[in-house]
Formats: sequence, C-alpha cells, structure tokens
Amino acid sequence: GENVEQHPSTLSVQEGDSAVIKCTYSDSASNYFPWYKQELGKRPQLIIDIRSNVGEKKDQRIAVTLNKTAKHFSLHITETQPEDSAVYFCAASNGNQFYFGTGTSLTVIP
Amino acid sequence: NAGVTQTPKFQVLKTGQSMTLQCAQDMNHEYMSWYRQDPGMGLRLIHYSVGAGITDQGEVPNGYNVSRSTTEDFPLRLLSAAPSQTSVYFCASSYRRGGETQYFGPGTRLLVL
Repeated sequence: GENVEQHPSTLSVQEGDSAVIKCTYSDSASNYFPWYKQELGKRPQLIIDIRSNVGEKKDQRIAVTLNKTAKHFSLHITETQPEDSAVYFCAASNGNQFYFGTGTSLTVIP
Repeated sequence: NAGVTQTPKFQVLKTGQSMTLQCAQDMNHEYMSWYRQDPGMGLRLIHYSVGAGITDQGEVPNGYNVSRSTTEDFPLRLLSAAPSQTSVYFCASSYRRGGETQYFGPGTRLLVL
C-alpha cells in the first residue's frame, strides 16, 4: 500500500516568516494530494489540494508544489500569523483510499 | 445544511462491549469514510463507501464493520471493543470518489477500559 512520510514533526517560526512542510509518497498511482489543518480538539479542514497533472497551486498565503518524478509534495505558508498555529496533515489518494502523513505541529511565535 | 454529523461525541466502553458510532451527511455525497486518529499516527482509514450498498476496507479494518443502506448514513460498528480501539474517530464525506474535497465530522472520542 501507500506510505506517506511527513517532515518535520514540529516547526516553530516567527510571525511573518515562511513555513515549509514536506511529504513524500511511495505509490505512483496516487493522483490527489490534499493538505489539512487541524486545530486542537477540532476536525481536520482542507486548506489546499493539488492533483497529479499540476505542479503548483497557490491560494493567497498558501501554496503547494508537487514533484511527481521524485514523489514529493510540499506546503508553503508565507507571512505566517499566530492563527496559522495548528497541526497540518498531508495526504495522498489513489481515488478510493486516503493515506495521511503523521502531522506537523506548527507554532507561530508573535 | 448540517454537513457531516457524528454521535456520540464521547463514549466509554468496557472491553468486550459492542457499539455503533453514527455518521450522517445531508450533502448528497456519494463517498463516505471512517478514520481513526491516534497520537503521532495521523489519520488512518478504517472503511469507506463509494455509494449506497458498496463498502470496502481501508488500512485498519480489523474489529470494525460498516454498512451503507442509504446515501446519508454510514454507521461504524465495533464488534467487541478492545483497549487498542481507544481513539478519536472521524467520519468524512465527499461528493464523489477520486480527488474531491473531504468534509469531516466533529469526531467521536472513544475510551475502552
């Protein structure tokens, strides 16, 4: 089956700096790569996603890049704000099954 | 729309007891799924369904059963609870399979003693 690895597990940045979270996957059949944000005690919420036919996608301060050849994708958050503090999960899907990374706890220091 | 709803919010079981976690969505979504979330392990797929009457196993299906008799409901049954099933359970749905936004329910926190 698919194996998704996510790094780092914890990340602290100063407010206004950028944050980058990286994920790798193993199954070349995976074709959909969402990113979720989960605040403490809350449900995961989709923040951005990318499909295998696209190399990059941006939504305001958030961007995701995908390298199919190397089987890795990354989340980039620019101009971080304290409200960006949360746990972020990457995932890879072949259409039916979703495999999640183990999460990155992001802390934005004011 | 209420979105994805789950009941109960919290449950304590004794080892060997059975129970059903309820999940419902009112968005006419075809795809529904169940995950468990354990510290340091992310979310792991238990079972999923691509439509009424169709279910399949995910990554960690042992000890759980599901059925999908209607589009709206996707209950998860624990047959004989074990302490290893202590976890937070999330139900999720999307309009269809294959690269659609998944909407998660609020979760059920289960403690098995």
